[in-house]
Amino acid sequence: GNSVTQMEGPVTLSEEAFLTINCTYTATGYPSLFWYVQYPGEGLQLLLKATKADDKGSNKGFEATYRKETTSFHLEKGSVQVSDSAVYFCALEQAGTALIFGKGTTLSVSS
Amino acid sequence: NAGVTQTPKFQVLKTGQSMTLQCAQDMNHNSMYWYRQDPGMGLRLIYYSASEGTTDKGEVPNGYNVSRLNKREFSLRLESAAPSQTSVYFCASRGDPNSNQPQHFGDGTRLSIL
Repeated sequence: GNSVTQMEGPVTLSEEAFLTINCTYTATGYPSLFWYVQYPGEGLQLLLKATKADDKGSNKGFEATYRKETTSFHLEKGSVQVSDSAVYFCALEQAGTALIFGKGTTLSVSS
Repeated sequence: NAGVTQTPKFQVLKTGQSMTLQCAQDMNHNSMYWYRQDPGMGLRLIYYSASEGTTDKGEVPNGYNVSRLNKREFSLRLESAAPSQTSVYFCASRGDPNSNQPQHFGDGTRLSIL
């Protein structure tokens, strides 16, 4: 079946450091891929998405590229801020079915 | 602009008690979902409703029932709560599931069962 694997956290960085959170998936066909972010005490918010191979999603300085050859959708940001501290979820969706989430990666950024 | 509203935000129950979690959306979305979030497990789908009048089981439906009361509201019921159902519950909605529109999430209900 379909599944999402993302790197385990927590990830601890200093402000202005480079961020990568790895995400790989298993799916038949061509799923859509998403990154969601969850700030403390809140629900999930869509951060970015990509719907086909080689698409790059971007938002708020975060980027992720849909790589079908490596079945990956790694999240990157060039310079993190304290306000980026949150839990990040990679997810896939296929043919209008419900989202399948990874287990989440906690990011903690210190000043 | 409320989006997806869940009530209550927090609840403590005793084993065996029943409870209904409420969810309402004001975006005229067709599809609605209930997830549970547990540490180290990500979000897992409990039930979903692709459109008004339909409901389907997700990955972890046992111990739960749902009702799609109308287009706006989708409730989740625990008939006899168990400690294993201690979790954070999220409701989500989306417009057209075939259009790659994202799901919109509520802020969650934190449920503890003693």
